[in-house]
Amino acid sequence: DAKTTQPTSMDCAEGRAANLPCNHSTISGNEYVYWYRQIHSQGPQYIIHGLKNNETNEMASLIITEDRKSSTLILPHATLRDTAVYYCIVRVEGTTDSWGKLQFGAGTQVVVTP
Amino acid sequence: NAGVTQTPKFQVLKTGQSMTLQCAQDMNHEYMSWYRQDPGMGLRLIHYSVGAGITDQGEVPNGYNVSRSTTEDFPLRLLSAAPSQTSVYFCASKGQGKNIQYFGAGTRLSVL
Repeated sequence: DAKTTQPTSMDCAEGRAANLPCNHSTISGNEYVYWYRQIHSQGPQYIIHGLKNNETNEMASLIITEDRKSSTLILPHATLRDTAVYYCIVRVEGTTDSWGKLQFGAGTQVVVTP
Repeated sequence: NAGVTQTPKFQVLKTGQSMTLQCAQDMNHEYMSWYRQDPGMGLRLIHYSVGAGITDQGEVPNGYNVSRSTTEDFPLRLLSAAPSQTSVYFCASKGQGKNIQYFGAGTRLSVL
């Protein structure tokens, strides 16, 4: 699986958009980009995923560059409850080896301030 | 729909004691896994299972055993606890298809 690089931490003002970058320059054609987050003392929570098209759901938007070497997770209106560690993970799909072995890195600690 | 349930939430053991961390899911998911998370670090995969009767090792399997006799349950056994196993343990499950995993609330284990 491709390695990802994320900033260690970032701050965001409540009500503003939070843009979380992730670099995955060695991503291959069949690898998806997944985002999870972990609020303090809780289990990780799935946010969104994509292959090459931009994606949006009720939690966030995912923007993937055309060359797929980087992506940005966007929390459109950050709230205090969005304070968490955000993990960007790249995973291949469609093979038996892809059965769920998520490789978590250190992630980005996002602090939303009032 | 309870999702993924882990018990106990907290446990303190003495070195050398054994115990089993329980994990159950009610979503009929084939894939289940165990992770550990040490302070300030990301999650590391211990063991995983792709279905009843099938288990395999993850990144840090030493000191842990697992079995998968049913689809619903995936217990993690510590045969002889060591202080290095002090950690927070998370169980996760997913169905077929994309890597959308559902995590339990975690078990906080201290080994003295």
